[in-house]
Amino acid sequence: AQTVTQSQPEMSVQEAETVTLSCTYDTSENNYYLFWYKQPPSRQMILVIRQEAYKQQNATENRFSVNFQKAAKSFSLKISDSQLGDTAMYFCAFMKHFFAASKLTFGTGTRLQVTL
Amino acid sequence: DAGVTQSPTHLIKTRGQQVTLRCSPKSGHDTVSWYQQALGQGPQFIFQYYEEEERQRGNFPDRFSGHQFPNYSSELNVNALLLGDSALYLCASSSPTEVQYFGPGTRLTVL
Repeated sequence: AQTVTQSQPEMSVQEAETVTLSCTYDTSENNYYLFWYKQPPSRQMILVIRQEAYKQQNATENRFSVNFQKAAKSFSLKISDSQLGDTAMYFCAFMKHFFAASKLTFGTGTRLQVTL
Repeated sequence: DAGVTQSPTHLIKTRGQQVTLRCSPKSGHDTVSWYQQALGQGPQFIFQYYEEEERQRGNFPDRFSGHQFPNYSSELNVNALLLGDSALYLCASSSPTEVQYFGPGTRLTVL
C-alpha cells in the first residue's frame, strides 16, 4: 500500500516571499502520478500541479513548481511570490495510474498562512 | 461547463439514521470517486464507480454503499450512522485521460 507523509502541519509566509512545502511518499510502483491539491476555506479541493513519475523534468504551473526526487521519494511544492489567496490547506496525493480503479492517497495536509 | 456538483451542502442527522448524498460529475467524465475527510485530516478513499459498477473500495464498512446511474451521477448511502461518520464527504469525477476534479463537498454532522 502507498503512504504519503506531510511533516509540516502548519507554515506561514509573508506576501511576495517564497515557501516550500514538503511531501514524502512510499511505494513499490515505478510509474505513478503525484499531485498537489489546494483546499481553501471554501472546502473545494483544487488541483495545483501534477507530476508524472516517468518524467524527469519538474512540473511548473505559473508561480507553482515542484522538486521531484524519485529515488528519495520526495515531492515538494514551491510557491513563489506568495499571495494572500494562496492561504489554504495543501495536500500532497499519490495515484498509481489513470486507468482502472485508481484512487488518490492523500497526506494529512499542510496549513499555509500568507500574511501581509 | 459545470464542474462537479454535490447536494446537499450541509446535513444534520442523528445516530442510527440513514443518509444519501448525491454527486453529478463534470461533463465528459464517466468515473466517480467518493472520499471522506474528517476534520483536520486528508481525504480517505471510500469507493469508486465506473459503468454503474463499484470498481474499487477503500477500508470502509458495508454501511457505506453507493450507486451510479446511467447518466454517470452517483449516490453515497450511509446506514446506521455513527458519531464518527461526521465528516466532509467529497465526490470527484474523472475520465481515463483526466485527473480527478472535486466537488465542493457535503458536510455531514451526526448528533
